[in-house]
Amino acid sequence: GENVEQHPSTLSVQEGDSAVIKCTYSDSASNYFPWYKQELGKGPQLIIDIRSNVGEKKDQRIAVTLNKTAKHFSLHITETQPEDSAVYFCAARGLGSSNTGKLIFGQGTTLQVKP
Amino acid sequence: NAGVMQNPRHLVRRRGQEARLRCSPMKGHSHVYWYRQLPEEGLKFMVYLQKENIIDESGMPKERFSAEFPKEGPSILRIQQVVRGDSAAYFCASSQGTGNQPQHFGDGTRLSIL
Repeated sequence: GENVEQHPSTLSVQEGDSAVIKCTYSDSASNYFPWYKQELGKGPQLIIDIRSNVGEKKDQRIAVTLNKTAKHFSLHITETQPEDSAVYFCAARGLGSSNTGKLIFGQGTTLQVKP
Repeated sequence: NAGVMQNPRHLVRRRGQEARLRCSPMKGHSHVYWYRQLPEEGLKFMVYLQKENIIDESGMPKERFSAEFPKEGPSILRIQQVVRGDSAAYFCASSQGTGNQPQHFGDGTRLSIL
């Protein structure tokens, strides 16, 4: 079935350093890949997304890259700040035969940014 | 606040009782998704609804769980005869459409079964 693998499960960086989170997906028909940030006690917040017709997208300190051939995509956060500490989830839109738009999520990465 | 609204935020039930979780989508959104999150895990898709229609319930347990999105009012996720294993955070998301429309999430309902 459809699957998304996310690594690493935990990531600790010093403030100002970069953080990279990687995901691979199994459904070659997937064409939409959002990233969510979840803080304790809150719902996932969409921070950036990318569609399969582009290879890279950037929004200030956050960038996402997509390699459709290898079926993997990555989140890059530069100049990290303590408020970036949270759990980050990647997801892929699972099309399959039903094309309902449901999201298949990775297992999450707990990012800790040390001051 | 025009975001996705879920209530209650916390719900405690005893085994065998019923749980009703409510979700009001963002203004202008007519597509609703329900996801379940177990501790230390990612979100798992349960069901996708449009107004008055269930479009995809492939992630929904076959028994005890049901969902609706009436013409008027919020979407409801209903769990009958709850068991300990139903304890989780339940999140609702809404979007303007399918395709590549972003899904925006509420802050969830944390269900605890005693």
